Amino acid sequence: DAGVTQSPTHLIKTRGQHVTLRCSPISGHKSVSWYQQVLGQGPQFIFQYYEKEERGRGNFPDRFSARQFPNYSSELNVNALLLGDSALYLCASSTDSYGYTFGSGTRLTVV
Amino acid sequence: AQSVTQLDSQVPVFEEAPVELRCNYSSSVSVYLFWYVQYPNQGLQLLLKYLSGSTLVESINGFEAEFNKSQTSFHLRKPSVHISDTAEYFCAVRARWNQGGKLIFGQGTELSVKP
Repeated sequence: DAGVTQSPTHLIKTRGQHVTLRCSPISGHKSVSWYQQVLGQGPQFIFQYYEKEERGRGNFPDRFSARQFPNYSSELNVNALLLGDSALYLCASSTDSYGYTFGSGTRLTVV
Repeated sequence: AQSVTQLDSQVPVFEEAPVELRCNYSSSVSVYLFWYVQYPNQGLQLLLKYLSGSTLVESINGFEAEFNKSQTSFHLRKPSVHISDTAEYFCAVRARWNQGGKLIFGQGTELSVKP
């Protein structure tokens, strides 16, 4: 079975631009979560979706938004990019709420 | 709210030596506990988890962690490390009541195994 897949793997954007990151969960997993990992720190929770509904939101500004599609894939959108948004963005999927499987992440660099 | 403190940011050890990576947590509610490993330029891999039952949990590659409720700790140990164990290790907690909810991670411990 394919694991959690994220695209793109790397991305370079300019300040003020918009970015869309994509995640495909493991087949059968209905829950998708997004995390931001700044270099040298642990991942920080951004969003959690279950059955296309937002179930949790972390302490991130409204520039960050997400959605989940009927096939349970998900997009994370970030508007008006700042230099501080440079990070590894991780997607995790889960079916039993106890084991989260993470993708390899999207490395976003804002210049 | 929950918080996680990993007491060592870097742990250098020699191959075949024992190692302990320390993790303390704070929470006003019952939690589940996790250890994740991150190899360079990769995502996180679940190493082991404590949900309930025996306070000692083991992974398939020789790591073990013990849940100590009185000390609110979940330290990770391995009796003999290999070069291939070199990675970043993250301790995480999740509130039991929040199914599918957010994981709270520590800052990470960089384990460096030297020959």
